[in-house]
Amino acid sequence: DTAVSQTPKYLVTQMGNDKSIKCEQNLGHDTMYWYKQDSKKFLKIMFSYNNKELIINETVPNRFSPKSPDKAHLNLHINSLELGDSAVYFCASRDSPNEKLFFGSGTQLSVL
Amino acid sequence: SQQGEEDPQALSIQEGENATMNCSYKTSINNLQWYRQNSGRGLVHLILIRSNEREKHSGRLRVTLDTSKKSSSLLITASRAADTASYFCATDGGNFNKFYFGSGTKLNVKP
Repeated sequence: DTAVSQTPKYLVTQMGNDKSIKCEQNLGHDTMYWYKQDSKKFLKIMFSYNNKELIINETVPNRFSPKSPDKAHLNLHINSLELGDSAVYFCASRDSPNEKLFFGSGTQLSVL
Repeated sequence: SQQGEEDPQALSIQEGENATMNCSYKTSINNLQWYRQNSGRGLVHLILIRSNEREKHSGRLRVTLDTSKKSSSLLITASRAADTASYFCATDGGNFNKFYFGSGTKLNVKP
C-alpha cells in the first residue's frame, strides 16, 4: 500500500481552466502539506492542514484553494490556471511536530 | 527567506568515492533534515539532526550541524551508482510545523 498517494500523476490543461489534485495518506498522520517544485527543483511550501484545520498558508494566490474533508485527505483546487502554475505538486504528511515528512510521488501539472 | 540552500548545485563523482554536500540556512532551527529525490519521484527522508546535536550517522551517511555557522553537511561514503539523485536539506525556521527546502544538490555517481 502506498503511504501517501496523489492523483493524477500527470495533468495537462489549457490556461484558464480549473483543475483539482487529490491526496490521501494511510499513515494515520494528523498533518498534511502541499509543496510546489518548480523547474529549477526549488521546493516551496504552500499549505498545511492539521486535523482538517488550515495552519499554514504561505502567500499563495487565492486561485489555489486547499480542502481537507478529513485528516487523511488534502485536495488542491486551482482556478483560472496560468502558465506559471506549471510545476510538480507534492503532497506530504507528518505524524508529530519536529518529525520527518512522507511525500507522495507528485503531480506534474502542465498549463498550455 | 528561510529556506536551506544546498551547495554545490551539482556534483559528479566516481563510484566508491565520498560525496559531500553542504546546506546553509538563515534563521534558528529546531532540527534540520536531509532528503533524497530520485528522478520523477517524491522526496524520501534520510536523516534528521536536532539543534542540540553536532553529528549523526546512519549507515553510509554522516551529517554534521554547526548552529553557530548555520550550516550542515551531508557525507555519503563509498558512493554507489544507486546514490545518483538530488539531495535536499530542510529546515523548520524555529516553527515545528514548517519545513523549508532549497533547490537541492544533484549528485551523479558514475559506475
